[in-house]
Amino acid sequence: GAGVSQSPSNKVTEKGKDVELRCDPISGHTALYWYRQSLGQGLEFLIYFQGNSAPDKSGLPSDRFSAERTGGSVSTLTIQRTQQEDSAVYLCASSPPGQGDSPLHFGNGTRLTVT
Amino acid sequence: EDQVTQSPEALRLQEGESSSLNCSYTVSGLRGLFWYRQDPGKGPEFLFTLYSAGEEKEKERLKATLTKKESFLHITAPKPEDSATYLCAFLSGGYNKLIFGAGTRLAVHP
Repeated sequence: GAGVSQSPSNKVTEKGKDVELRCDPISGHTALYWYRQSLGQGLEFLIYFQGNSAPDKSGLPSDRFSAERTGGSVSTLTIQRTQQEDSAVYLCASSPPGQGDSPLHFGNGTRLTVT
Repeated sequence: EDQVTQSPEALRLQEGESSSLNCSYTVSGLRGLFWYRQDPGKGPEFLFTLYSAGEEKEKERLKATLTKKESFLHITAPKPEDSATYLCAFLSGGYNKLIFGAGTRLAVHP
């Protein structure tokens, strides 16, 4: 079946511009995560949505970062006034209902380059 | 503070040369230890979940084991297609987010 879909796959933007990254999770998956992966680094947690509960935003690095999830499905990560240090691969993952230990299914990410 | 460390950072093997990757963790209330494989330009792909010390899981040439302080990913007679970055991650306490290590980049040469 269809996996997690992210768009765009690549995004080049100028410093100071706003960007929106989109994630379509696997149908029926109630949990959705955003992670960031800088070159040669591990995955850095950003934000987590679970059903209708308030999202866990504890990983967002600054107030320039925000995310929403509409209708319990598609999610958008917005970065305002982008900086060069925001350049990274942004990965989205979803997981099915469970005890929180269900494996995450990742998309292939959006590679963001801020010039 | 909960943390996870993977070693080595990079590993080069000849085809057929078995080895092990290490994931050391300091976690209060471990709820699960996960292994993922990541190919260049792709998202991580789930391999295993381990829940308690002494547990082992196998898949083809890979076997994951868990103790109270570390997990090993053993690779037996690797092939070039096993080349990838291997990531471990843990789930702890009351949190529902995976915390990842920096990964081990494995290169298997024919």
